[in-house]
Amino acid sequence: EAQVTQNPRYLITVTGKKLTVTCSQNMNHEYMSWYRQDPGLGLRQIYYSMNVEVTDKGDVPEGYKVSRKEKRNFPLILESPSPNQTSLYFCASTPGIGGGGIYEQYFGPGTRLTVT
Amino acid sequence: GDSVTQMEGPVTLSEEAFLTINCTYTATGYPSLFWYVQYPGEGLQLLLKATKADDKGSNKGFEATYRKETTSFHLEKGSVQVSDSAVYFCALSDMFTGSGYALNFGKGTSLLVTP
Repeated sequence: EAQVTQNPRYLITVTGKKLTVTCSQNMNHEYMSWYRQDPGLGLRQIYYSMNVEVTDKGDVPEGYKVSRKEKRNFPLILESPSPNQTSLYFCASTPGIGGGGIYEQYFGPGTRLTVT
Repeated sequence: GDSVTQMEGPVTLSEEAFLTINCTYTATGYPSLFWYVQYPGEGLQLLLKATKADDKGSNKGFEATYRKETTSFHLEKGSVQVSDSAVYFCALSDMFTGSGYALNFGKGTSLLVTP
């Protein structure tokens, strides 16, 4: 089954304790990205990756890091989490362009992070 | 930059009522337009899409037409069901922006359908 998986689904942590949220896709997609969803703000892109070893900042990258060492995996790293990073996080992937337009993005199930 | 504006909710309708959720966009290039749906406690699922002007996307009784002249992509359904209760997001993706295929989302419209 084609899918994007994220782990963990729920995480409660304390300020300053490094954490990693994993993301994996089995569709051989080149493009992957991370979004955060906050009430009243919708979804905003944190980081994206056009291919292996190619990553770039999205709209809200502060406090986050990513890496793309393999095509299927795109982990999100919070080196020193703070309470304002409490949010719902989604990983997504897409093959990119085709059929005259952009393919849709496939989303993971989400990771709800609480930083106390 | 690119942006999406959609009507704010919550929208409350009775079962079998007609649904319209307005969405307008601004974009510098040639965006593809999408509607995503998020059911309670779940991730986002693609509902429908349109990749060029005058395209009509449709799925599960929902429809939306890409109107370049009015920069709109309104979501409609003729007869809603309780199971349609969810949050609906309008989004665009423009291949000519610097952020690759990033989706620009509207803030979401919460729909509640009552029996």
